[in-house]
Amino acid sequence: AQTVTQSQPEMSVQEAETVTLSCTYDTSENNYYLFWYKQPPSRQMILVIRQEAYKQQNATENRFSVNFQKAAKSFSLKISDSQLGDTAMYFCAFMKLNQAGTALIFGKGTTLSVSS
Amino acid sequence: KAGVTQTPRYLIKTRGQQVTLSCSPISGHRSVSWYQQTPGQGLQFLFEYFSETQRNKGNFPGRFSGRQFSNSRSEMNVSTLELGDSALYLCASSSPYGGGETQYFGPGTRLLVL
Repeated sequence: AQTVTQSQPEMSVQEAETVTLSCTYDTSENNYYLFWYKQPPSRQMILVIRQEAYKQQNATENRFSVNFQKAAKSFSLKISDSQLGDTAMYFCAFMKLNQAGTALIFGKGTTLSVSS
Repeated sequence: KAGVTQTPRYLIKTRGQQVTLSCSPISGHRSVSWYQQTPGQGLQFLFEYFSETQRNKGNFPGRFSGRQFSNSRSEMNVSTLELGDSALYLCASSSPYGGGETQYFGPGTRLLVL
C-alpha cells in the first residue's frame, strides 16, 4: 500500500522569505501523480501544484515549485516570496495512475504560518 | 465554470440517525470522490463514482454508502451515526477522462454527531 509522510507538522516563515515543505512517499508503482494541496482556515482544499511521475522536469506554478526526486521518493514544495495568504495547512498527496479508479492518499499535513 | 458545490454545509445529528450529503461536480466532470477529514485520522478516501458506478472504495464500514446520478451529482449516506463520524466530508470531482486526473474539491460538509 502507498503511504505519504510529511515530517514537519508545523513551520513558520516571514513574509517575502522562501520556505520548503517536505514530503516522502512509498510506492512500488512506476506511474503516478503527486499533488500539493493547501487548506486555509476556510477548510476549502485548493490545488497548489501537480507533478506527473513520468516527467523529469519539476513542476512550477508562479511562486510555487517542487523538487521531485523519483528515485528517492521525495516531493518537496518550495514557496518563494511568501505572502500572508499562504498561511494554511499544506497536504502532499499521491494518486496511482490506474484506470480501475483513483484515490488520493494524503499525508498528515504541514501547518504553515506566514507572519509580517 | 462553477466549482464543486456541497450541501448542506453544516449538519448536526444525534447518534443512531442517518444523514445524506450531496455533491454537485464541476460541469463536465464525471468522476466524484468522497473523503473524510478528522483531526485524528486526517484525510481518508471513502469512495469514488464514475458514470454512476462505484469504481473505488476505501476502508470504511458498510454504514457509509454513496451513489451517483446520471447528471454526475453524487450523494453519500451514513446510517446509524456514531460519535466518531463527526468530521468534515469533502467531495472532489475530476475530468471526464477517468483515472489519473486532478481532483477539485468542494467546500465540504461539516457533520457533528451528538
